[in-house]
Amino acid sequence: KAGVTQTPRYLIKTRGQQVTLSCSPISGHRSVSWYQQTPGQGLQFLFEYFSETQRNKGNFPGRFSGRQFSNSRSEMNVSTLELGDSALYLCASSRSTNLGPDTQYFGPGTRLTVL
Amino acid sequence: AQKVTQAQTEISVVEKEDVTLDCVYETRDTTYYLFWYKQPPSGELVFLIRRNSFDEQNEISGRYSWNFQKSTSSFNFTITASQVVDSAVYFCALKIQGAQKLVFGQGTRLTINP
Repeated sequence: KAGVTQTPRYLIKTRGQQVTLSCSPISGHRSVSWYQQTPGQGLQFLFEYFSETQRNKGNFPGRFSGRQFSNSRSEMNVSTLELGDSALYLCASSRSTNLGPDTQYFGPGTRLTVL
Repeated sequence: AQKVTQAQTEISVVEKEDVTLDCVYETRDTTYYLFWYKQPPSGELVFLIRRNSFDEQNEISGRYSWNFQKSTSSFNFTITASQVVDSAVYFCALKIQGAQKLVFGQGTRLTINP
């Protein structure tokens, strides 16, 4: 069974630009969560989508947004990039029908560098 | 609010030594789930184990074992007879019932020297 895939793996952008990251979940998984990992803040939850709806949201500014498609694939977008947005962005998928015991499986991440 | 603390930032041991990674969590919820993930240099978080709050049985999987104690809010991870391939950053995480968000500790960087 294929794992979670993320594209692109690496991105370099400049301040003020916007970026879109893509995530394809494990087949049969309907929930996709996004996390940001930085050396200073560690791993932080951005948001989660289930059945094309945002179900949970972390404490990030509105510049961070996402969406999910009918095939469960998800994208996240960051507008007006800042230097502090440089991070590893990890996507995780799970079956998650009832927000109970549920394991999230992670992709390899997209490393974003903002210059 | 939930919180996970991994007090050990870095651990370095010689191959074949046993090593224990500590994890202490905080939550007021009665139903929650605890996880351990491994992050090798490639960056991907690899799932190791999930424990439910109502199941305090310890678990052993090969060289790996986990000790869950609700009385001390701890979920420690032991690697027996460590190997160089165990070198990675290990994260402990907490999820409460009714939410999808994982709350992670700061991670422990484990280096196994040959």
